[in-house]
Amino acid sequence: EADIYQTPRYLVIGTGKKITLECSQTMGHDKMYWYQQDPGMELHLIHYSYGVNSTEKGDLSSESTVSRIRTEHFPLTLESARPSHTSQYLCASSDTWGGEQFFGPGTRLTVL
Amino acid sequence: QKEVEQNSGPLSVPEGAIASLNCTYSDRGSQSFFWYRQYSGKSPELIMFIYSNGDKEDGRFTAQLNKASQYVSLLIRDSQPSDSATYLCAGVNSGGSNYKLTFGKGTLLTVNP
Repeated sequence: EADIYQTPRYLVIGTGKKITLECSQTMGHDKMYWYQQDPGMELHLIHYSYGVNSTEKGDLSSESTVSRIRTEHFPLTLESARPSHTSQYLCASSDTWGGEQFFGPGTRLTVL
Repeated sequence: QKEVEQNSGPLSVPEGAIASLNCTYSDRGSQSFFWYRQYSGKSPELIMFIYSNGDKEDGRFTAQLNKASQYVSLLIRDSQPSDSATYLCAGVNSGGSNYKLTFGKGTLLTVNP
């Protein structure tokens, strides 16, 4: 079944740790996105990708980095986590530019 | 700054009533609009998209687009308690180089039994 997956679903980690949030999709989509959303707040685009080896920063400045080595995989990395990184991170994909985006279940990150 | 504005609510309606959710946008180049539903603690799920002026119906949901007034709405008929969620409006300007979706802050809908 075509879907979009994120792991871990929940992560509690100490300040200064390096973390990688995984996102994979089996939908065959070229376009992938990372959003950050605080509770009760709006979605903010932090990274997006056109396809393999193509990544761009989004509207909200983020200390995270992304890579796109395989079409189906779009991991997000924080080299040194801080409490200000505490948030929900949502991965999405779409078939076309300007088309509907499908979201993964999200990773809720807490940095102590 | 291209913006999508929504009344944050909460909007409270009784079960069986029509819920009307509204959205305005500032970018006249926006051509496609999406309505997402987001339950608390969950990720957004697509309900409908619309790109032509007028109405588009899908079951109990009707999306309305008025490009002259830069206004998009979502009507939910026969509202059910299970419709209680935050509804996100998003627009995209497909005509330029920026194909990113711009999301509104969302409207919290509560349907009371």
